[in-house]
Amino acid sequence: GENVEQHPSTLSVQEGDSAVIKCTYSDSASNYFPWYKQELGKRPQLIIDIRSNVGEKKDQRIAVTLNKTAKHFSLHITETQPEDSAVYFCAARGWATSYDKVIFGPGTSLSVIP
Amino acid sequence: DSGVTQTPKHLITATGQRVTLRCSPRSGDLSVYWYQQSLDQGLQFLIQYYNGEERAKGNILERFSAQQFPDLHSELNLSSLELGDSALYFCASSVGGTGGETQYFGPGTRLLVL
Repeated sequence: GENVEQHPSTLSVQEGDSAVIKCTYSDSASNYFPWYKQELGKRPQLIIDIRSNVGEKKDQRIAVTLNKTAKHFSLHITETQPEDSAVYFCAARGWATSYDKVIFGPGTSLSVIP
Repeated sequence: DSGVTQTPKHLITATGQRVTLRCSPRSGDLSVYWYQQSLDQGLQFLIQYYNGEERAKGNILERFSAQQFPDLHSELNLSSLELGDSALYFCASSVGGTGGETQYFGPGTRLLVL
């Protein structure tokens, strides 16, 4: 069935450094890839998404890249700040036998050390 | 604030009991999704409703059931509760029911089974 893998599971960086989280997906028909950020004790919130008709999308310090051939996509956070500390979930659109859904990766816990 | 509301915020109950969690989607959203998040775990998809009808099922136990009412709010019923059911339960909503849409998450209901 469909699967989304995410690495690393935990990531620690010094404030100001960059952080990169990578995800791979199995459904070659996937065409929508959102990223959600979940701060401790709070709800997941969409921070950026990308569709398969583009290879890269940026929003201030956050960027996402997509390689459809290799079936992987990555989240890049530059100039990290302590408030970037959270769990990040990647997701990919996939199709089961009868329905169209989003499949979440297992999450990456990012810690930004001041 | 995502516009998705969930009640109650916290729930403490005993093993063997039954509880009902409630979710109101964003205005205009037709789809409601339920997720379970255990401690330090990812988002486990339980079930999706679209405009009152069940659309998709994930890893939902037989002891759990859900429904979506004509006003589009949804309820998740958990019965014969076990210690392992202790978790954060999120609902999310989206405009339609496809995997290519942003899901907006509610604040969650934290369930503790003693």
